[in-house]
This record gives sequence, C-alpha cells and structure tokens, in this order.
Amino acid sequence: DSGVTQTPKHLITATGQRVTLRCSPRSGDLSVYWYQQSLDQGLQFLIQYYNGEERAKGNILERFSAQQFPDLHSELNLSSLELGDSALYFCASSVGGTIHNEQFFGPGTRLTVL
Amino acid sequence: AQSVTQLGSHVSVSEGALVLLRCNYSSSVPPYLFWYVQYPNQGLQLLLKYTSAATLVKGINGFEAEFKKSETSFHLTKPSAHMSDAAEYFCAVSLRNQGGKLIFGQGTELSVKP
Repeated sequence: DSGVTQTPKHLITATGQRVTLRCSPRSGDLSVYWYQQSLDQGLQFLIQYYNGEERAKGNILERFSAQQFPDLHSELNLSSLELGDSALYFCASSVGGTIHNEQFFGPGTRLTVL
Repeated sequence: AQSVTQLGSHVSVSEGALVLLRCNYSSSVPPYLFWYVQYPNQGLQLLLKYTSAATLVKGINGFEAEFKKSETSFHLTKPSAHMSDAAEYFCAVSLRNQGGKLIFGQGTELSVKP
C-alpha cells in the first residue's frame, strides 16, 4: 500500500458524459501527478500540481481539467467523454515537486466509456 | 524532446535465469532515469533510479541497472528470476527543469516459467 488513495476504483459511463476522479496523496506530500494508461498510448503524464499550483503539464486534452485543493487532495475532471478516453488513470504523490522526489502511485481508477 | 524506448513488449525467462530488460533513452541533457514495476491490478512501484551519481544502480528485489551514456541505455537486470518477478516493467526519464514529470516507455511484460 503506497498510501495514495484513489476513488472510485471503477467507473463506467457513456459517451458525452462528465466524470470526476479523486486522489488523496500520502500524508505530508505536497505534489500530485496524474497519469493515463491506455492500450493505445501507454502510460502518459497528464498534469502535476504542487501545493495547489499547477507545476507541469503534459498531453492533457482540453476536455480534461484538474485541480488541487487546500487540503492537498486532487480531482481530475473528464468531460464530453469519448470511447478513446477509456483507460486506467493513476494518481501519484511526492513530498516535493521535482525529480529528486520519489513518486508513490495509487492503485488507479479504471474508466470505461461505453 | 526526451523519449524512452523499451525493446521487447514481452520477455519470457525460466525461473533462475538471467533477466534482462532493455531501455534506451533520448535526451538532449543529462536525464534522471527510473525503472518501475507494475503487478496486476496495482499501481506502479519504484525499483531503482539513476540520478547522475554511480552508473551502476542497485534497487529493490535484487534488480540493478547500469547507465551507459555512450549507448544511451539503462538496461535492467537480475541474476536469477523468481516466479514473483512476473509483472510489467516500465522505464522512465525525467528532466530537471520539468517539475517531476515522468516520460514512460511502452513497458515490457516479464513472464517467468517454472
């Protein structure tokens, strides 16, 4: 158990819908990262937050948005869902926000878009 | 832009045999390099990382990797495979000026035969 929690574990929804994925970092970690793992694209970095501020951005679609709240939990919002958005979404956390800090991964949320 | 290539999407070895998982990177500046393992239905766990100190890096569970700048490689090895090593392995790269963003390879699934 990494100490990173993600809810829900599974999510099934329809095209065009909007969902919110939630991540609680390890106690004391200030940085949160979101990654998408799909058969087509592999494991891709989406976005990173550090203490509430966006720190780095990757291949995140405009239909996707994220934020980190004052209590440091983070949410990833996916809207106008398409079949291709079906994937495993991982959250990771680290103490600091640089490459010197080990990232601890949560178990993931599996999103299925029908 | 940096990238990671893992040669072989699937590797099969016999229990007790040498494990060799290949990773080549592309980066215009000295990178940090990582190996992660993903067991079925779990998040990623850090095996080891290279941070420009020693070129031979030892990690958990008997794994090690050697950074070879001339070959732009960071191959993962283990002298003797155990059944419990069966999992998916990901090589990743990160750069100092990009927060903690990890760029992953496509992954290599390791099977261990009895």
